[in-house]
Amino acid sequence: GAVVSQHPSWVICKSGTSVKIECRSLDFQATTMFWYRQFPKQSLMLMATSNEGSKATYEQGVEKDKFLINHASLTLSTLTVTSAHPEDSSFYICSASDVNQETQYFGPGTRLLVL
Amino acid sequence: AQSVTQPDIHITVSEGASLELRCNYSYGATPYLFWYVQSPGQGLQLLLKYFSGDTLVQGIKGFEAEFKRSQSSFNLRKPSVHWSDAAEYFCAVGASNAGNMLTFGGGTRLMVKP
Repeated sequence: GAVVSQHPSWVICKSGTSVKIECRSLDFQATTMFWYRQFPKQSLMLMATSNEGSKATYEQGVEKDKFLINHASLTLSTLTVTSAHPEDSSFYICSASDVNQETQYFGPGTRLLVL
Repeated sequence: AQSVTQPDIHITVSEGASLELRCNYSYGATPYLFWYVQSPGQGLQLLLKYFSGDTLVQGIKGFEAEFKRSQSSFNLRKPSVHWSDAAEYFCAVGASNAGNMLTFGGGTRLMVKP
């Protein structure tokens, strides 16, 4: 149980385009989902927290207009990187917690390369 | 503010040897503590967690961790390491529940010698 999937697993795009990453909880309802960014050989950096049906809460320094997060259902959250630039290239990981909110379960990550 | 320190960036052990990965935290109340493992290019897998009760917790893959409040530590141990344990290990601390933000340590990369 407690499986979280992400799609796509990797994506290459041209500078200036937008990329959407999906995060799904497969066998539980995720009341809260989190989006992290991870640079090579570094720890995870929380970007934003989203609760189903409400606006995401962004961490300081994260541009909400650039990283659009939607949590429209209890099993799906999406992260859209708008007008992507090479500096947005990174590994993006989502996690989800259920109504008990005791544990975060992580997706496999999405590697984004912006050319 | 809560913080997590993993003092060892890299650790190399021989296969079959015992392992201890250190984790120290700073948190004003009783923390929720987690250990996650990340294989290259993958997401994080939960190894074990501590919320309350018995301070020695058992996890998957033969790992265990002990919560020591007096030392603000939550060290991860395994009696006999397997080559497949080579990965990055992250300790994390949460607020009253992990539905709130987790704070991660910098990670410890484990390498296993044959």
